[in-house]
Amino acid sequence: DIQMTQSPSSLSASVGDRVTITCRASQSINDFVNWYQQKPGQAPRPLIYASSSLHSGVPSRFSGSGAGTDFTLTISSLQPEDFATYYCQQSYSTPTTFGQGTRLEIK
Amino acid sequence: QVQLQESGPGLVKPSQTLSLTCTVSGDSINSGGYYWTWIRQHPGKGLEWIGYIYYSGSADYSPSLKSRVSISVDTSKNQFSLKLNSVTAADTAVYYCARDSPTTYGMDVWGQGTTVTVSS
Repeated sequence: DIQMTQSPSSLSASVGDRVTITCRASQSINDFVNWYQQKPGQAPRPLIYASSSLHSGVPSRFSGSGAGTDFTLTISSLQPEDFATYYCQQSYSTPTTFGQGTRLEIK
Repeated sequence: QVQLQESGPGLVKPSQTLSLTCTVSGDSINSGGYYWTWIRQHPGKGLEWIGYIYYSGSADYSPSLKSRVSISVDTSKNQFSLKLNSVTAADTAVYYCARDSPTTYGMDVWGQGTTVTVSS
């Protein structure tokens, strides 16, 4: 199985900050990485697919990049509604696997 | 607007079979192009892929659950279902169904999730 290692596991930041979450795959996965946002008691919300493409309705302050083994999710200016847990996922091969999550908290 | 809705018992006894159904609206499972997927999330933990099924009935499962899991599809009802045998407390989780296109959009539509507790 391909392992997805996210860092950091938790992060404290303030409204207006720029934050970056990284995800490293245990082998090359081209650009088959997706990112999800999850708030407590809710289903994951799709944010980004194919490493850098935003799903419909996702604010432009979210961006993704990377290819091969290293990927990043960046939020350019944190808004109050962005405090949540973020997961990366590889869809290069089955079983599809998720990172362990990054919990983004208010400083 | 595509919507997915999970349904099934919220409480299952140990050693019994967990059975859940996902009803799809706003899209036809028969149209192809998507893998209809089950994911679970243990309390306070991350996301775990259980498996998926294609409209043709072709399925794939997580190696860690393969001996106990079965996913089926009923295209006449636009539903797909999960069965997990011989459950234990370790199967207590929130179970989500999702629509997946692995090589393009990823899991782009999710159900709201249903909590299943395994307890006597």
